[in-house]
Amino acid sequence: DGGITQSPKYLFRKEGQNVTLSCEQNLNHDAMYWYRQDPGQGLRLIYYSQIVNDFQKGDIAEGYSVSREKKESFPLTVTSAQKNPTAFYLCASSIGQGPLYNEQFFGPGTRLTVL
Amino acid sequence: RKEVEQDPGPFNVPEGATVAFNCTYSNSASQSFFWYRQDCRKEPKLLMSVYSSGNEDGRFTAQLNRASQYISLLIRDSKLSDSATYLCVVNDRGSTLGRLYFGRGTQLTVWP
Repeated sequence: DGGITQSPKYLFRKEGQNVTLSCEQNLNHDAMYWYRQDPGQGLRLIYYSQIVNDFQKGDIAEGYSVSREKKESFPLTVTSAQKNPTAFYLCASSIGQGPLYNEQFFGPGTRLTVL
Repeated sequence: RKEVEQDPGPFNVPEGATVAFNCTYSNSASQSFFWYRQDCRKEPKLLMSVYSSGNEDGRFTAQLNRASQYISLLIRDSKLSDSATYLCVVNDRGSTLGRLYFGRGTQLTVWP
């Protein structure tokens, strides 16, 4: 089945530790995105990538890093510099080319809790 | 000013009711419009795209008014399973292709 997978579903870390969230897609999509969602809030864009080996900062990139070495993979690292990392993290992908009908498809998300 | 603004809700309606959600967007150059549905503690899922002429999918009707920069979603004959948060989503043609802006969502609860 085609889709987007994120792992793990729940993640607990101690304050000050870096943590990497996995995102894999087999939809052959060029573009991939990372969002953060806090309770009662909308989705905020952290980073996005339109093509392998290229990515851009979104609205809240500070304290996060990404890589895009393969088309199907877009891991997100939450570093110790992120002041408030506890949140629901969502990965998405889209075909990526063209401004019309560029709907995004989401993975199931990772809930990160920093203790 | 936020890119996308929605009715804050929550909307609480009985089964069988008709309910409408509204959304406004700030960028007149936007080209793509969507409604997503998000269940509690789950990922957003595409409900429907919104086309210039308006479109319908079963009990759901979406309308777009470019002049007023306004999008609506109408749900007829509400079901218990329609209870969710509905996100209004707009692209920004003026920025990098593929970038979408999400509203904060409108919460709907359908009661028996």
